[in-house]
Amino acid sequence: RKEVEQDPGPFNVPEGATVAFNCTYSNSASQSFFWYRQDCRKEPKLLMSVYSSGNEDGRFTAQLNRASQYISLLIRDSKLSDSATYLCVVENFNKFYFGSGTKLNVKP
Amino acid sequence: EAGVAQSPRYKIIEKRQSVAFWCNPISGHATLYWYQQILGQGPKLLIQFQNNGVVDDSQLPKDRFSAERLKGVDSTLKIQPAKLEDSAVYLCASSFGLSGEGQPQHFGDGTRLSIL
Repeated sequence: RKEVEQDPGPFNVPEGATVAFNCTYSNSASQSFFWYRQDCRKEPKLLMSVYSSGNEDGRFTAQLNRASQYISLLIRDSKLSDSATYLCVVENFNKFYFGSGTKLNVKP
Repeated sequence: EAGVAQSPRYKIIEKRQSVAFWCNPISGHATLYWYQQILGQGPKLLIQFQNNGVVDDSQLPKDRFSAERLKGVDSTLKIQPAKLEDSAVYLCASSFGLSGEGQPQHFGDGTRLSIL
């Protein structure tokens, strides 16, 4: 079983839509959680950390459910510029485990 | 704050040749990572250093790949001899190094390697 699993998508949504991605992880002792964004042919860039109480950054909301071992990312009012691959990352004792990414296409 | 620096950005070599990549992490970051990312997949860890010591190299193909971080700062990754399946982007990342404190990794631009 993979450490981190994500739906590869693609998710094709119109501008202004709300879209949500989930990511499951296998190690219940995992300590930190992150969402990264990766544009085509670019390096992954930190989008946001995921805190136990959930957190929001503008149009982006991240949630952590330890009991069910998943994290989620919600994007409201999608913009064309949100089109990218979203990588779920789980940290355990300073080792980072990556999902294979969920591709989002936002269309006019 | 300067980010993670990598060079070269692109490299094209023939199979069986050798190649080396360089990475300079963010100042003060104790942990340095090398990843291989094949198109359509998430990054795969090759090796992780804590200062100048190796923490994890379980997925490094040691018959052809080697890496060092002699002074605990910058690092080199070498492939010798290269195979066609080594065509990928090689990403270097660094983190402050304290587990469980929510310290994320920061990535360099990567080196895109093509094997002919």
